[in-house]
Amino acid sequence: DQQVKQNSPSLSVQEGRISILNCDYTNSMFDYFLWYKKYPAEGPTFLISISSIKDKNEDGRFTVFLNKSAKHLSLHIVPSQPGDSAVYFCAASAISGNKLVFGAGTILRVKS
Amino acid sequence: DAGVIQSPRHEVTEMGQEVTLRCKPISGHNSLFWYRQTMMRGLELLIYFNNNVPIDDSGMPEDRFSAKMPNASFSTLKIQPSEPRDSAVYFCASSSGLGASEQYFGPGTRLTVT
Repeated sequence: DQQVKQNSPSLSVQEGRISILNCDYTNSMFDYFLWYKKYPAEGPTFLISISSIKDKNEDGRFTVFLNKSAKHLSLHIVPSQPGDSAVYFCAASAISGNKLVFGAGTILRVKS
Repeated sequence: DAGVIQSPRHEVTEMGQEVTLRCKPISGHNSLFWYRQTMMRGLELLIYFNNNVPIDDSGMPEDRFSAKMPNASFSTLKIQPSEPRDSAVYFCASSSGLGASEQYFGPGTRLTVT
């Protein structure tokens, strides 16, 4: 039972263009969402988060959008850079809890 | 701070052998998590501790897996006996405080069971 789904295993984008990574969740108790980035042979690193009281959070080139009614969130990277090539994991949590539920990840390749 | 430290980084063992993975969390963090990453299932939470006490071990696949946290600066994940299907990358992560908060991951241990 996958509570957090990233339906696109991979995405390829040209340098300078926008990258959009998508994530869907099923558990209505989730109210805090995070994106992690992972390079090969390294652990995931925190990128950006959003709580359910917001529908958008921006940090530099990275913006996360949350659509609670659709149980959908997305990560936008503008402009995309070759160094953004990595695996991106979506994660969700209930603020009252302590554990994160991760999606399977999306491999982003930014071509120069 | 050195971040979360895991050892060994790579482990190759034969089926049936005992495997012990080690983790040192970030000093001051009171929650510790063990994850397993596979191609098919992504990142799965195996178990997590808060203040050295196991809180949720529902992700531990079976009795062959066990985890301990004898003190705030050390945790182990043991597999006995190991099987080829246990081959994966195992991550340890730590965080501070209760509630949803950012988790800091170690570099992982790549386990291969032949």
